[in-house]
Amino acid sequence: AQSVTQLDSQVPVFEEAPVELRCNYSSSVSVYLFWYVQYPNQGLQLLLKYLSGSTLVKGINGFEAEFNKSQTSFHLRKPSVHISDTAEYFCAGSSNTGKLIFGQGTTLQVKP
Amino acid sequence: DAGVIQSPRHEVTEMGQEVTLRCKPISGHNSLFWYRQTMMRGLELLIYFNNNVPIDDSGMPEDRFSAKMPNASFSTLKIQPSEPRDSAVYFCASSPAGATGNTIYFGEGSWLTVV
Repeated sequence: AQSVTQLDSQVPVFEEAPVELRCNYSSSVSVYLFWYVQYPNQGLQLLLKYLSGSTLVKGINGFEAEFNKSQTSFHLRKPSVHISDTAEYFCAGSSNTGKLIFGQGTTLQVKP
Repeated sequence: DAGVIQSPRHEVTEMGQEVTLRCKPISGHNSLFWYRQTMMRGLELLIYFNNNVPIDDSGMPEDRFSAKMPNASFSTLKIQPSEPRDSAVYFCASSPAGATGNTIYFGEGSWLTVV
């Protein structure tokens, strides 16, 4: 079965600290991977995506993610977080049938 | 440019009533998706249209749910009769052509409460 797994449901971190949000995908998911962010009471918006080429992908708001085929991972990182980064983050993979499969989400809580 | 537009933004209805959620995708996008978000189940894909044709409706919970896309600029998701367990945020999203490698653009959601 196609699946995307986010290993942490909540990640608390202090402002200006680095953060990593973990994501693993099943090998049956087509290797197009995405990270979306959802701010409170809003829809999802794209942070970054991996289609091919360089395994290190840079996105908006200073986020980046690294595609690791051997570990089937696509972890999201930011070297220094801000209070405004507090949100729900979703990892997703697209299948060959054109569907986007989401992980369960990780709540990033940035504390002052 | 206008994004994906959903209506209503919020709806509270009584159990047994019919609910219709509406969506206008981004102009020029050929694919439209309906997702449901709950605390327990996260984001679930309900149905996916390509060029107004339903491609995959395997996520539609049961016969009480139906979705239509009569033209490229409009889609509806109907629940009849509604039940309290249908309470959720329903997102409509669109993309240029499927989700394989393409960015999916989400609306702001329709927050449904069934009492």
